[in-house]
Amino acid sequence: GAVVSQHPSWVICKSGTSVKIECRSLDFQATTMFWYRQFPKQSLMLMATSNEGSKATYEQGVEKDKFLINHASLTLSTLTVTSAHPEDSSFYICSAGSLAKNIQYFGAGTRLSVL
Amino acid sequence: QQQVKQSPQSLIVQKGGISIINCAYENTAFDYFPWYQQFPGKGPALLIAIRPDVSEKKEGRFTISFNKSAKQFSLHIMDSQPGDSATYFCAPYSGSTLGRLYFGRGTQLTVWP
Repeated sequence: GAVVSQHPSWVICKSGTSVKIECRSLDFQATTMFWYRQFPKQSLMLMATSNEGSKATYEQGVEKDKFLINHASLTLSTLTVTSAHPEDSSFYICSAGSLAKNIQYFGAGTRLSVL
Repeated sequence: QQQVKQSPQSLIVQKGGISIINCAYENTAFDYFPWYQQFPGKGPALLIAIRPDVSEKKEGRFTISFNKSAKQFSLHIMDSQPGDSATYFCAPYSGSTLGRLYFGRGTQLTVWP
């Protein structure tokens, strides 16, 4: 079964509203989680590295104030898309690494559609 | 700087044929070389991975071949099946699984029945 749970799987919102996406590691503690964005027929683009108990590290070109990341516990990281606009519509995916299993697991992704 | 170059971008194979996808990398610090499989609307799932101390690893119909000197590794899918139709990504990285992956651009594989 899934070891990284991502919720919701699909969300539709109006322009200007904020959307929160949750990423949970189910059977291991994840001090670091990653957030990716993927456009149709393209590769995954790393947006930010989420560190438990500290500020996230954002990739160049990613707006920190627009994509708020919180990693409040060892099993939960959240990505909030603030004041969403149609150009934010995309597929957002999180991942977390399990040291014990030596595998990085991915969530099932969240399809965000901003009207 | 593009650290990982994946080819081909798309691949069409007859059922039962062999699918081969290649990945070239620049960063010699990479020490873990995974291939991920992604179906439409889903997150990537680890398919098979190799460490640089071996040149080949086989798991069922899937084989990774690794050439350290050429800084290349490839995925071979034997007896390709329609259910293998998906997008495949190489995503090498260095250090532990707590580190970031560097994704290739992906290969869209279509297996015709």
